[in-house]
Amino acid sequence: AQSVTQLDSQVPVFEEAPVELRCNYSSSVSVYLFWYVQYPNQGLQLLLKYLSGSTLVKGINGFEAEFNKSQTSFHLRKPSVHISDTAEYFCAVSDLGGGYQKVTFGTGTKLQVIP
Amino acid sequence: GAVVSQHPSRVICKSGTSVKIECRSLDFQATTMFWYRQFPKQSLMLMATSNEGSKATYEQGVEKDKFLINHASLTLSTLTVTSAHPEDSSFYICSAKTGLGNTIYFGEGSWLTVV
Repeated sequence: AQSVTQLDSQVPVFEEAPVELRCNYSSSVSVYLFWYVQYPNQGLQLLLKYLSGSTLVKGINGFEAEFNKSQTSFHLRKPSVHISDTAEYFCAVSDLGGGYQKVTFGTGTKLQVIP
Repeated sequence: GAVVSQHPSRVICKSGTSVKIECRSLDFQATTMFWYRQFPKQSLMLMATSNEGSKATYEQGVEKDKFLINHASLTLSTLTVTSAHPEDSSFYICSAKTGLGNTIYFGEGSWLTVV
């Protein structure tokens, strides 16, 4: 079984300030890690993913995340946020086995960028 | 990149009727598709895993007779909510797994309102 914990349900941040959205996971097997963004009234859009290789992953819109195996974390960061980054962000894990690759989501973090 | 399309994006139906939601992979073949449900202020919950040519695998607590899933081709999976009730009102979103790599792409989602 796998699980994802996003400790912060809401994160307010001023425009052009840096932001970190936290994500911790647990799994008994190796996993893939994802961050998705959901803008109001829209579906999910993939921000970035970690499959293997470099632990620092760069995604779209200036976001990046770092995989830390020892701390089982995959925190999302952006050095300078914009108003347009206001959305809900979901961390997700997917197991590597079974052929089905179920995706388990965290409860989401609402990023509110303040002008 | 890979595109997954859902239709309809919004649907309102009367209580007791059935409604079908389609999920299509537009530029790739998807042997496996996933259906999720998202209630307000909650995360996405996996409902079922749909495999082309075989019966869907439902998550615990999801009524397979109420949420009929058909994966008739490598590019189409459908979710039919039978005898819909107001409590079925939710955001339903599908995803499809590409044959290459290990990335899952999501559709835009479908808002179902049962009145």
